[in-house]
Amino acid sequence: EAGVTQSPTHLIKTRGQQATLRCSPISGHTSVYWYQQALGLGLQFLLWYDEGEERNRGNFPPRFSGRQFPNYSSELNVNALELEDSALYLCASSPGQLAGDHGANVLTFGAGSRLTVL
Amino acid sequence: AQKITQTQPGMFVQEKEAVTLDCTYDTSDPSYGLFWYKQPSSGEMIFLIYQGSYDQQNATEGRYSLNFQKARKSANLVISASQLGDSAMYFCAEETGANNLFFGTGTRLTVIP
Repeated sequence: EAGVTQSPTHLIKTRGQQATLRCSPISGHTSVYWYQQALGLGLQFLLWYDEGEERNRGNFPPRFSGRQFPNYSSELNVNALELEDSALYLCASSPGQLAGDHGANVLTFGAGSRLTVL
Repeated sequence: AQKITQTQPGMFVQEKEAVTLDCTYDTSDPSYGLFWYKQPSSGEMIFLIYQGSYDQQNATEGRYSLNFQKARKSANLVISASQLGDSAMYFCAEETGANNLFFGTGTRLTVIP
């Protein structure tokens, strides 16, 4: 079974440009999560999609946006790139909203997309 | 908002010894889950262990165990018989009703031969 796959592995952009990152979840998983991990820091929650809808959003400006497609894959778009957007962007998937059983919602992460903004 | 605190930026342990990585959380939600993930230098986050807030027993998974002290709001990870491959960043995370994880800042563990 393929794991969570992310592309591209590395991306270099300049300030003001736009970046698009892609994520394919594990087959059968309907939830996709995006996290930002700046160098030396922990993971900051960005976005959560489930069944094609945005379910929750972290404390990030609107230039961070995304979507989830009917096949449950997802895109993260970052507009008007700034230097501080340089980070590892991690995507994770889970089986989806499961009421009451947190343990069933283990996130499986991809290897990440490293974005460098020059 | 959830707050996860990992007070140890770095830890060293001798190979084959046990090590405890600290984690405290701060939630008023009665139902929550606590997770530990490992992040090797490759960057991928690897799930290690889970503890539910209503679980009576401490969780164990092979060499990993979770020392869950609910009254203290702590969920420390214990790794027994450390191996060189255990050298990595370790993140504690909490999940409440919002179905997403909030992570601590991590602890870098170095296993010394």
